[in-house]
Amino acid sequence: QKEVEQNSGPLSVPEGAIASLNCTYSDRGSQSFFWYRQYSGKSPELIMSIYSNGDKEDGRFTAQLNKASQYVSLLIRDSQPSDSATYLCAVLGSAGGTSYGKLTFGQGTILTVHP
Amino acid sequence: DTEVTQTPKHLVMGMTNKKSLKCEQHMGHRAMYWYKQKAKKPPELMFVYSYEKLSINESVPSRFSPECPNSSLLNLHLHALQPEDSALYLCASSQGLAKGEQYFGPGTRLTVT
Repeated sequence: QKEVEQNSGPLSVPEGAIASLNCTYSDRGSQSFFWYRQYSGKSPELIMSIYSNGDKEDGRFTAQLNKASQYVSLLIRDSQPSDSATYLCAVLGSAGGTSYGKLTFGQGTILTVHP
Repeated sequence: DTEVTQTPKHLVMGMTNKKSLKCEQHMGHRAMYWYKQKAKKPPELMFVYSYEKLSINESVPSRFSPECPNSSLLNLHLHALQPEDSALYLCASSQGLAKGEQYFGPGTRLTVT
């Protein structure tokens, strides 16, 4: 089982729709979760961090965390063509574990928003 | 300000060359990271420095040698690289190991010929 798994995609949504990106993780002790956006040829950009169960909203982005199910998601409302990118889920290794201090990334989901 | 800078942006080197990649941050962060990213893959951790001391080495070949001269600077010295080492090399920083919000620099696109 991979440590961090994302829905494989690619995901294509029409402009104005909601894009839903999902991620599961294996380290039950993990407490910190992140979403990065990476445009082609560019470096990853942090767009959301979430540490507690529930929802966290920032503009058009909502991150959702369910630690019991080991599940993290990112919703993008009113999707725009400029949101077309690869979205990377990342999980910080838990203290006391072999992955402490390490950010483990999922394989990424390519999102295309078409006009 | 969440800026991490990296130089050079592009680097082409032969297998016998020695070169260095540089990274700088002025956010007061105490953890700095080197990642390698191949096309269509996620970033792959290479090294982590915490308070200027090497904290994690992900079994990286010795032809890659990291250095942290001070809390703002991180170097990656390259020697006798192989063509398969061609990749995007990313530097990142965070407040600390327990603070996972890592901010990435723009990267150095390395080509080994």
